[in-house]
Amino acid sequence: RKEVEQDPGPFNVPEGATVAFNCTYSNSASQSFFWYRQDCRKEPKLLMSVYSSGNEDGRFTAQLNRASQYISLLIRDSKLSDSATYLCVVTTASGGSYIPTFGRGTSLIVHP
Amino acid sequence: DGGITQSPKYLFRKEGQNVTLSCEQNLNHDAMYWYRQDPGQGLRLIYYSQIVNDFQKGDIAEGYSVSREKKESFPLTVTSAQKNPTAFYLCASVGQRDGLAKNIQYFGAGTRLSVL
Repeated sequence: RKEVEQDPGPFNVPEGATVAFNCTYSNSASQSFFWYRQDCRKEPKLLMSVYSSGNEDGRFTAQLNRASQYISLLIRDSKLSDSATYLCVVTTASGGSYIPTFGRGTSLIVHP
Repeated sequence: DGGITQSPKYLFRKEGQNVTLSCEQNLNHDAMYWYRQDPGQGLRLIYYSQIVNDFQKGDIAEGYSVSREKKESFPLTVTSAQKNPTAFYLCASVGQRDGLAKNIQYFGAGTRLSVL
């Protein structure tokens, strides 16, 4: 079983739509959780960290459910510029190191 | 500006050749990582280093080698033993932001390696 799983999409939505992505992880000892955004042929960039209490940054809301081992990202009022691949990242401590595991990414296409 | 610099942006390898990808950071981060990304795939961990003069194999270390002689530098060598090296290679360092979340990965712009 893959450690971090995401629906690859693509999610094709109109401008102004609300879209939600989910990500599941298999290691219950995982400690840190993030959503990254990756544009075509570019490096990933941090979108937001994810906390159990939930956190919001403008139109983006992230949630962590430790009991069910999933992370979600909600994007409200989608913009054309939101089109990208969204990567779920889970970090686990191992032998004094922090090992990040990336999902394959969910592709979002926002159209006019 | 603080950040991570990868060079070159594009690299071509001939059969049987070793090539080295550069990664330099001025963020004063201890931990550095190398990833490989294939089209439509997620990032896969090649090697990582938590401190100078120490590094560990990731999930796909075969055919690659690294060194960590300086805190700022973590070069990756793609050896001739790596039979399918064509991919997008990303270097990252890990640090804290705004005194809040830990273990945030900061990436370089990547190197695209192709085989001639």
